[in-house]
Amino acid sequence: QVRLVESGGGLVKPGGSLRLSCAASGFTFSDYYMSWIRQAPGKGLEYISYISKGGTTINYAESLRGRFTISRANAQNSLFLDIHTLRPEDTAVYYCARLRQGNYFDSWGQGTLVTVSS
Amino acid sequence: QTVVTQEPALSVSPGGTVTLTCGLTSGSVSTTYHPSWYQQTPGQPPRMLIFSTNSRSSGVPDRFSGSIFGNKAALTITGAQADDESDYYCVIYLGGGVWVFGGGTKLTVL
Repeated sequence: QVRLVESGGGLVKPGGSLRLSCAASGFTFSDYYMSWIRQAPGKGLEYISYISKGGTTINYAESLRGRFTISRANAQNSLFLDIHTLRPEDTAVYYCARLRQGNYFDSWGQGTLVTVSS
Repeated sequence: QTVVTQEPALSVSPGGTVTLTCGLTSGSVSTTYHPSWYQQTPGQPPRMLIFSTNSRSSGVPDRFSGSIFGNKAALTITGAQADDESDYYCVIYLGGGVWVFGGGTKLTVL
């Protein structure tokens, strides 16, 4: 079955950087668009970014453009999110999700918690 | 900036029917926005319920249905059960690789 496992979260100081990873299994990773979505503690879901199958098409939520970089390594069945200049308001659980052609997110990982604090 | 609106909280009696809505601060939601719905319980990732307005995800009970209701997308739960008590999120596709989530509806079954 489809499995997505995020890793790389943790406690980071403001201004720091982090790379989140998402290991995919149970499906042909290179056949699917992928995305990152986050959820601040006690808050709603926020779309961050998506990447096409081959990684050639990428987009970001307008409000998050600039500090986030999505990428993928199809040979390793992995999705990545680099976050730079971290701010306390970036504290959230970060989910990777598989994106289907009908523009919906059909499978989600368990998430990885990023805490930005001094 | 486009904002997707949802009722912050709703309640339903066991066995009752409730409709959650998903609107836009400017404009109407239509099928071209590909509205989808997700259920989330505390400590768990979201689970997709409905995609492309009214298509039910595999394994989702048929008491969950999606539609366009007026100028909004709608999720209707018919015959609510105790374990339907969850947060529900809609998401709208604006095009150009941009999705916007609603703020979520906290549904209480009591």
